[in-house]
Amino acid sequence: GENVEQHPSTLSVQEGDSAVIKCTYSDSASNYFPWYKQELGKGPQLIIDIRSNVGEKKDQRIAVTLNKTAKHFSLHITETQPEDSAVYFCAASTGDSTLTFGKGTMLLVSP
Amino acid sequence: ETGVTQSPTHLIKTRGQQVTLRCSSQSGHNTVSWYQQALGQGPQFIFQYYREEENGRGNFPPRFSGLQFPNYSSELNVNALELDDSALYLCASSQVPGDYEQYFGPGTRLTVT
Repeated sequence: GENVEQHPSTLSVQEGDSAVIKCTYSDSASNYFPWYKQELGKGPQLIIDIRSNVGEKKDQRIAVTLNKTAKHFSLHITETQPEDSAVYFCAASTGDSTLTFGKGTMLLVSP
Repeated sequence: ETGVTQSPTHLIKTRGQQVTLRCSSQSGHNTVSWYQQALGQGPQFIFQYYREEENGRGNFPPRFSGLQFPNYSSELNVNALELDDSALYLCASSQVPGDYEQYFGPGTRLTVT
């Protein structure tokens, strides 16, 4: 089955800096790659996603890139703010009912 | 538009007991997926329901079972609870099965003692 690796497990940045989280996947049939933000005591919130026919997608301060050949995708957050502090999860799907998640990255943005 | 809701928020059970968790999908969504999230881990897929039928299952034993009702709400039932079943149980809904966006509820925190 699909296996998703996520790095780093923790990331500390200063407010205003950029943050990058990277994921690799194993199943070349995966074609949908969402990113979720999970705050303490809450369920994961979908923040951005990308499909395999697209190399990059942006939404304000957030962008995701996908390299199908290398089977990796990344989340980029620019101009980080303290409210960006949370655990971020990447996931992959082959188009069946399953989302396979990475283990998460705890992002801490210091004022 | 109403988001995904889950009940109860917290639950404490004893090993060997049975538990039922409930989920109401986001309006307009007919597909519900259930995930188990252990502390410090990513969510793990349990199963999905579409049109009241199971539409895919992860690597979980048969004592994990579910139902979907005509209004698309869903239940997760776990029999013969084990200590390792302690986790956050998340429900996610989507418009259709497959690789469409899944929106998660706040989860039910289950503690098995």
